[in-house]
Amino acid sequence: AQKITQTQPGMFVQEKEAVTLDCTYDTSDPSYGLFWYKQPSSGEMIFLIYQGSYDQQNATEGRYSLNFQKARKSANLVISASQLGDSAMYFCAMRESGSGGGADGLTFGKGTHLIIQP
Amino acid sequence: GAVVSQHPSWVICKSGTSVKIECRSLDFQATTMFWYRQFPKQSLMLMATSNEGSKATYEQGVEKDKFLINHASLTLSTLTVTSAHPEDSSFYICSATRGGTNDEQYFGPGTRLTVT
Repeated sequence: AQKITQTQPGMFVQEKEAVTLDCTYDTSDPSYGLFWYKQPSSGEMIFLIYQGSYDQQNATEGRYSLNFQKARKSANLVISASQLGDSAMYFCAMRESGSGGGADGLTFGKGTHLIIQP
Repeated sequence: GAVVSQHPSWVICKSGTSVKIECRSLDFQATTMFWYRQFPKQSLMLMATSNEGSKATYEQGVEKDKFLINHASLTLSTLTVTSAHPEDSSFYICSATRGGTNDEQYFGPGTRLTVT
């Protein structure tokens, strides 16, 4: 089973509208972290927002907010007032705590290609 | 900030040759570095975890003898693709953490490898 599921391969959104990018995850680990990254055509991975599994409040970073519904295992990204520069691939990722106590790599979803139209 | 660089940003090599990709943390010491691979229009897949001074841990299905990883210092990890083949053509991205279990990963800009 996929650990991170992004069900929207692509989305077209009108400029200035809000957009929600879906992400569901699967883990039995009680301690995990959820990330959203933006990848423009240049290829660089730009960190957007982080939500820890024990965080009580939804994370927010400027125009980005994470709608964290733990019971449903969902971590949707909300971008308010979309801009033309928001056009890019968006990846949801998860880090599980692992067993060794050291840092762990991320598991990524397949991504959503967001296109903002003027 | 935390800056991670990769060199080269783009490389073309002939089939059968080896190519080395460097990942450097420029303004912090990275106890752990990760190597990911991304095929066109696909997601990032974790290849291996590299801790300074120890052997890398490879993900299932990644050939450790083909993808040699060296993390000789706290600011440098290298990935060597040995005897490269066209199917190794991909975008290779590294990331680095300062340390600890809940630390942010800082990504490099990626290296695009084309094997002809």
